[in-house]
Amino acid sequence: GAVVSQHPSRVICKSGTSVKIECRSLDFQATTMFWYRQFPKQSLMLMATSNEGSKATYEQGVEKDKFLINHASLTLSTLTVTSAHPEDSSFYICSAFGQPEAFFGQGTRLTVV
Amino acid sequence: AQSVAQPEDQVNVAEGNPLTVKCTYSVSGNPYLFWYVQYPNRGLQFLLKYITGDNLVKGSYGFEAEFNKSQTSFHLKKPSALVSDSALYFCAVRVYGGATNKLIFGTGTLLAVQP
Repeated sequence: GAVVSQHPSRVICKSGTSVKIECRSLDFQATTMFWYRQFPKQSLMLMATSNEGSKATYEQGVEKDKFLINHASLTLSTLTVTSAHPEDSSFYICSAFGQPEAFFGQGTRLTVV
Repeated sequence: AQSVAQPEDQVNVAEGNPLTVKCTYSVSGNPYLFWYVQYPNRGLQFLLKYITGDNLVKGSYGFEAEFNKSQTSFHLKKPSALVSDSALYFCAVRVYGGATNKLIFGTGTLLAVQP
């Protein structure tokens, strides 16, 4: 099946710094990718839809200036957590649609200290 | 509103026994339904899907699910549970409409299989 690769799998950063997470579709082109956030023992919360060559669409309540999304090519979307704070610590997951199921990256565990 | 419900936070089953993880949905039109499994600190892994055709769909690792239109359900089943099946399971529906094209997830069900 299709593969979505997410990097890094784990990152620890200092409060106030920015962190970039990459999501790549390895064997297919994805005009749309999705970014989720997951809290412990909870479901996935859709943060934003990343559209290749255009602005991302953010879900209600998600700060677009805080979570910058860039989808510069058909195989790469990035999520940058700017000026990270401890409350941004979470598990972030990206995905892209195949036909018709979605494929998910391995997830990134972000810890802000 | 379009939604997916997983009424059980946790399902406990003994190894070798059959298991069922429940899912109901509410969508307009014909649903595209999916089951995913998540192991700790990992992304979601696709198990199976229902698009059209036979109501009983078979997927990975011996799992299957039955689509029931009248009950708007898509329960996940396995005839004989393994300890290694212990994980978090998500039911999801793909919704389309205008500019919308996304997955809606249930809240997840933790499956615990005891040896």
